[in-house]
Amino acid sequence: GQSLEQPSEVTAVEGAIVQINCTYQTSGFYGLSWYQQHDGGAPTFLSYNALDGLEETGRFSSFLSRSDSYGYLLLQELQMKDSASYFCAVRDHTGGFKTIFGAGTRLFVKA
Amino acid sequence: EAGVTQFPSHSVIEKGQTVTLRCDPISGHDNLYWYRRVMGKEIKFLLHFVKESKQDESGMPNNRFLAERTGGTYSTLKVQPAELEDSGVYFCASSRTREGIQYFGAGTRLSVL
Repeated sequence: GQSLEQPSEVTAVEGAIVQINCTYQTSGFYGLSWYQQHDGGAPTFLSYNALDGLEETGRFSSFLSRSDSYGYLLLQELQMKDSASYFCAVRDHTGGFKTIFGAGTRLFVKA
Repeated sequence: EAGVTQFPSHSVIEKGQTVTLRCDPISGHDNLYWYRRVMGKEIKFLLHFVKESKQDESGMPNNRFLAERTGGTYSTLKVQPAELEDSGVYFCASSRTREGIQYFGAGTRLSVL
């Protein structure tokens, strides 16, 4: 089957660095995406990794290891506005071409 | 450029009633997706349109759900008759290409009482 695991909640303080891990199990892996969702809002695309390594976009970075079926999202210089849910999502080619999401990690940033 | 818009933002209906959700994708995006999130769980794939054709509807829960995209523009998702377990947030997303970034709408929160 296809599944993704990520922590349900993470708490960190303003200015700190936080890492949200994601492990996945899928037979037709194509790439790993990260989305941010504020309460009541639309999930917003943050980053995408198709190859092993680190992708950096401003304060956010995303890492992928295909051999370990593992990735993470790294948020630096945390700000209060980063409090949101973060979803990892796998692009999968099994029986079609779909995106499979994890259950999301709720990040609380404290002052 | 307008984003993905969904209507209504909230819908409260009774079990057995019918509800139709609408999604207007970003103009020029051939790919349109429906997802559902139930009770804080994962955002679950329902189906994928390429223009007006259903490319993959493997995530549709049962035949009470009907999605259409006539003319390849906006899409509707009808639930008939609605059951309690259909409650959740229904998201629509669109992308220019199959591999492209998916842009999401803010979702329709459906409550079936």
